[in-house]
Amino acid sequence: DAGVIQSPRHEVTEMGQEVTLRCKPISGHNSLFWYRQTMMRGLELLIYFNNNVPIDDSGMPEDRFSAKMPNASFSTLKIQPSEPRDSAVYFCASRDRGDIQYFGAGTRLSVL
Amino acid sequence: GQQLNQSPQSMFIQEGEDVSMNCTSSSIFNTWLWYKQEPGEGPVLLIALYKAGELTSNGRLTAQFGITRKDSFLNISASIPSDVGIYFCAGPRSGGGADGLTFGKGTHLIIQP
Repeated sequence: DAGVIQSPRHEVTEMGQEVTLRCKPISGHNSLFWYRQTMMRGLELLIYFNNNVPIDDSGMPEDRFSAKMPNASFSTLKIQPSEPRDSAVYFCASRDRGDIQYFGAGTRLSVL
Repeated sequence: GQQLNQSPQSMFIQEGEDVSMNCTSSSIFNTWLWYKQEPGEGPVLLIALYKAGELTSNGRLTAQFGITRKDSFLNISASIPSDVGIYFCAGPRSGGGADGLTFGKGTHLIIQP
């Protein structure tokens, strides 16, 4: 199994630009989660999907952030416009049943 | 919301030493998960605990689900250099996995040869 695949691994952009992060969950998993990791706040849940449907987006910082899951094998997290305070590592995780989530390697985002 | 408090925040130890870390909460958790994160990678599950009082081992790692359901412990015996990383405890936000996980801030383990 390839595991959760995220792309790109690193993204450097300028303030105001649009950023799109991508995630391919483990095949057969029906829940997908987006997290953000910073030194100050640790790992924070941004949004999660069950069966491609967004269930809880209360962790999304503000309207500049949006996430979609058009099908069971693909999700995107978009930031538009990006700001320097969005710099962080963004993780995608997927889950089949139970509580265990499997994480991708993350996307390290730097907004200059 | 639920918060998980991990201690210590960091540990500097010698290779071969045993390691103990813990995680506490003001809320009850029905599941405790321990993850390890290495530099440049995502968290990887080490041990999952499902029952109060449960003691589970994975090689040199042993974790326990506290009787009160408000704490958990992770021990590493005879540490080796590849144990370096950040260890996180986590639990389901509302008692079921569908709501995502709450994570502690992590314990940074640094091993001096």
